[in-house]
Formats: sequence, C-alpha cells, structure tokens
Amino acid sequence: EDQVTQSPEALRLQEGESSSLNCSYTVSGLRGLFWYRQDPGKGPEFLFTLYSAGEEKEKERLKATLTKKESFLHITAPKPEDSATYLCAVQAETQKLVFGQGTRLTINP
Amino acid sequence: SQTIHQWPATLVQPVGSPLSLECTVEGTSNPNLYWYRQAAGRGLQLLFYSVGIGQISSEVPQNLSASRPQDRQFILSSKKLLLSDSGFYLCAWSVLGGGWIGELFFGEGSRLTVL
Repeated sequence: EDQVTQSPEALRLQEGESSSLNCSYTVSGLRGLFWYRQDPGKGPEFLFTLYSAGEEKEKERLKATLTKKESFLHITAPKPEDSATYLCAVQAETQKLVFGQGTRLTINP
Repeated sequence: SQTIHQWPATLVQPVGSPLSLECTVEGTSNPNLYWYRQAAGRGLQLLFYSVGIGQISSEVPQNLSASRPQDRQFILSSKKLLLSDSGFYLCAWSVLGGGWIGELFFGEGSRLTVL
C-alpha cells in the first residue's frame, strides 16, 4: 500500500529562522511528488511537482528536493506569511494522489 | 484562466438528512474531477474521481455518491447523512490524461457539520 508520512506534525519558527519539512514515501513506481500549501479554511494551493530523484524546484523562500525515499521542503529566512499547513502527495501507478497528513508551520514575528 | 467554484461553503445538517455539494470548473474542457474529504487533523482522503461525463470511480465504500452530469460539473450527494460524514469537502481538477494526474487545483472547500 502506498504511504506518505510527513514530519514534524507541527513546527514553530522565529521569523528568519530557516528549517526543513520532511516527506517520506513508500510507493511502487513513483510518477510524481507534489507539495501544496493550505491556509486555514481554504483549499490546498499547488506549489511544486518533482518527478525524479535529484530534482529540485524553487519558489521565493521555498525549495523542494527529492530523493528515492523522501522529499524535503526547505524554507529559507521565513516570514509570518509563510505560516500554513504544507501537504505532500505522491502519485504512483494509480489514478490518484496519496496525501500525507501535513506539517503545520507557524512563523512568529 | 481556469477557475473552480464550489458551494455551499458551509452547511450544518441533521443526521439522516440529504446532502448535495456542487462543483463547477471554468476555462478548461474535459477535466479530471475529484472529491476529497479532510477530517480534522487528518490528511486528504480521495472519495471519487471522474475522467469524463457519467464516469465515476469510487475509492471508499460509504453512503456518499457522486455524479457528473456535464463536462465541468461534479456533484457529491448523500441520501442520509451520518455523524461521521462531518468534515471539509474539497473538489479538485486536473487536465493530464493517460494515467497521469499532474497537479491538482482545488476549490475553496465546503465545511459540513452533521449534528
């Protein structure tokens, strides 16, 4: 069974304090790994797609990387507006995305 | 540009009452459509997906059903709600085919509370 595990469940940082979120996955035949941002009471917003080990994508203060077993979302010098829940999802050999439970990130000013 | 509309945004229903949530997509044709549920503190659970009009795949056996009467319209229904149906329901779409999903684009969600 395809599984996605995100850690930590919650992370509290000071503004400017860089860190990383982890997404570990167990799938047969990875087709793609996706990162989303979700604000409270809203639908998830697409951030990145990674397709193969070694791939990296960047957007403003966020950088996503992928290995054969996990992905990291690095946040550099975060700001309070980066506070949100970050979701990781994978597509394997099926027509569906399997989501992790998310990491709730809080950036204190 | 593509947009997705989902309504109602919030509803409170008694146990045993019916349910209808609606989702429409604009600015694209023949999208793949999805219904997800997000329970408090849990990840997104895929309920149904559709690759075309009248084509519905169910992922979780339960008292919910889905229909796709038009290309860009997706409806989630129930004849009798259970307490366990409470949650945040999300509609999403994607455009890739051939077994690829690609990135999903989500609606704003519908918060359902069953009392």
